[in-house]
Amino acid sequence: GAGVSQSPRYKVAKRGQDVALRCDPISGHVSLFWYQQALGQGPEFLTYFQNEAQLDKSGLPSDRFFAERPEGSVSTLKIQRTQQEDSAVYLCASSQRTATEAFFGQGTRLTVV
Amino acid sequence: AQTVTQSQPEMSVQEAETVTLSCTYDTSENNYYLFWYKQPPSRQMILVIRQEAYKQQNATENRFSVNFQKAAKSFSLKISDSQLGDTAMYFCAFMKLLGDMRFGAGTRLTVKP
Repeated sequence: GAGVSQSPRYKVAKRGQDVALRCDPISGHVSLFWYQQALGQGPEFLTYFQNEAQLDKSGLPSDRFFAERPEGSVSTLKIQRTQQEDSAVYLCASSQRTATEAFFGQGTRLTVV
Repeated sequence: AQTVTQSQPEMSVQEAETVTLSCTYDTSENNYYLFWYKQPPSRQMILVIRQEAYKQQNATENRFSVNFQKAAKSFSLKISDSQLGDTAMYFCAFMKLLGDMRFGAGTRLTVKP
C-alpha cells in the first residue's frame, strides 16, 4: 500500500483480555517501530525491528507486551491480560534502511474497560 | 539513552505572525537526525522538517525552518506566516543512525485568527 496501515483503528477490550494490534509497513521498509502514546503526551518508544530482528525492546513496559515481525514485513503487537493503564494510542512507523524519515500509521486507539 | 525536551507545553500565535518552538536533546552520538513532526487531531504524524547532524546548514521547508545548534544540542522550529491549518501538536524527535526515534512531550500550538 501507499502508506503504513494499522488495524484495527479502535479497540475496546475488557480488563484481562488479550489483544493483538497489526501494522502493515510500507513495502520494502526495513525498519519498523512501535510507540505508545497516552492522551496529551508524546509517543513513547516500545520496540524496534530491522527486518525480522527485534533489535531493541527496552521500551516494552512489562512482560505482558510482546511484538513480532516473523517475515520482516507485517508486525503484531500483542498485549496479554490488558489493564486500564494500557489504554493509549499505539503508533507504528516504518523507514527504509538508509532513509532518515519514519512514516507513521494512524494508530490504534486501545481502550481497556 | 537519548532524551528530548520540549519546554513549552502550549503556545499560541496570531495568524500571519511568526512563532518559534524550542527543543533540546541529550546524546553522546556524533551522527544523528533530528525531526519536527506535526500531529493534528486526526492523530496522523506528519513530517514537517528534518535535519542531519553532520550538516551545518539549517534546514528549511517553505514556511518552516530550524535553528540547529549542535554544540548546544538545541533544535528549534520557526514557523513563518502562521496559518490556521498549522494548529496542531508539534513533536521534536531524535533518531540515531539506523536506530529508533525518540520524541519530546510535544508543544500544542494554536494559531488564532
